[in-house]
Amino acid sequence: DAKTTQPTSMDCAEGRAANLPCNHSTISGNEYVYWYRQIHSQGPQYIIHGLKNNETNEMASLIITEDRKSSTLILPHATLRDTAVYYCIVRNQAGTALIFGKGTTLSVSS
Amino acid sequence: DTAVSQTPKYLVTQMGNDKSIKCEQNLGHDTMYWYKQDSKKFLKIMFSYNNKELIINETVPNRFSPKSPDKAHLNLHINSLELGDSAVYFCASSQEGTGGKGYTFGSGTRLTVV
Repeated sequence: DAKTTQPTSMDCAEGRAANLPCNHSTISGNEYVYWYRQIHSQGPQYIIHGLKNNETNEMASLIITEDRKSSTLILPHATLRDTAVYYCIVRNQAGTALIFGKGTTLSVSS
Repeated sequence: DTAVSQTPKYLVTQMGNDKSIKCEQNLGHDTMYWYKQDSKKFLKIMFSYNNKELIINETVPNRFSPKSPDKAHLNLHINSLELGDSAVYFCASSQEGTGGKGYTFGSGTRLTVV
């Protein structure tokens, strides 16, 4: 599975959009981009995933660049409850266990 | 109903003891996992298991052994506990064919070895 690079930490004001970047320059054609988050003391939670098109669900939007070498997770209106570690994971559909990197610690403040 | 449940939630034990952590999933998933999250918050895969094969992360000491009595359960047995085993252990499950989106995690078991 391709390696990902994320900033260690980010801050966001409550009510503003949180844009979390992820670089995955070695991604291959059959690999998807997945985002999970881990709120303090809880197990990781699936957010969204995509292959090459932008995706949106009730939690977030995922923007993938045309060359697929990077992506951005967007939380449109961040709340205090969005404070968590966000993991960007690249893997193919048939891959083995999810492999987590260090992720980005997002701190949302009022 | 909790989808992936682990027991106990907290476990404090002395060095050298043998302990088990239980995990049950009611999602009908065919693959289960154990992850370890240490004090530095790195989340590492320990085992993945379905009815076909057990895949072991080569860095996991053989004091750790997963045991699956049936498809819905994957328990973690730890022998001769050491201080370095202190961590939060997460159980997870997924269904083959759902790719990376279908992982459901339990709420974790905080193991403290004293």
